[in-house]
Amino acid sequence: GAVVSQHPSWVICKSGTSVKIECRSLDFQATTMFWYRQFPKQSLMLMATSNEGSKATYEQGVEKDKFLINHASLTLSTLTVTSAHPEDSSFYICSARAGGEADTQYFGPGTRLTVL
Amino acid sequence: GQNIDQPTEMTATEGAIVQINCTYQTSGFNGLFWYQQHAGEAPTFLSYNVLDGLEEKGRFSSFLSRSKGYSYLLLKELQMKDSASYLCAVLDSNYQLIWGAGTKLIIKP
Repeated sequence: GAVVSQHPSWVICKSGTSVKIECRSLDFQATTMFWYRQFPKQSLMLMATSNEGSKATYEQGVEKDKFLINHASLTLSTLTVTSAHPEDSSFYICSARAGGEADTQYFGPGTRLTVL
Repeated sequence: GQNIDQPTEMTATEGAIVQINCTYQTSGFNGLFWYQQHAGEAPTFLSYNVLDGLEEKGRFSSFLSRSKGYSYLLLKELQMKDSASYLCAVLDSNYQLIWGAGTKLIIKP
């Protein structure tokens, strides 16, 4: 149980284009989903927290107009990187939490974004 | 400020035992997680401790002392596939997950 999928697993795009990443909880309903970014050899950095049906809460320094998050259902959240630039190249990982605030976060496999 | 400390890197031998320590200073405490992350992959959940003591799960055990702000992950009978980074994360009083930088564990034959 507690399987989270992400699509695509990797993407290469040109500078200035937008990229959408999907995160799905396959066998449970996720009340809350989280989006992280991880640069090589660095720790996870939380970008935003989203609850189904409400606006995402962004961490300080994360541009909400650049990283659009939609959590339309209890099993799907999407992250759109708008007008991507090379510095946005990173490993983007989502996680989903089924129950309350102390419940475990289960991670998707991650999406490696390379912006040329 | 909030702080989680764990060693950057450790080396151990296949078949041996290794203990990875984690100390934390956070605003409140609602539990501590250990995750395993292989290179190029997302983290996978290993354990969750909210009460003091040792939780054993197969070859892996996790210990917590809330009064000392301290936890460790114990890995027994090490296998080559255990080579990975091990992340310690604490849920603070706002139920925010505060992440350590991770400990890279290298297993040698």
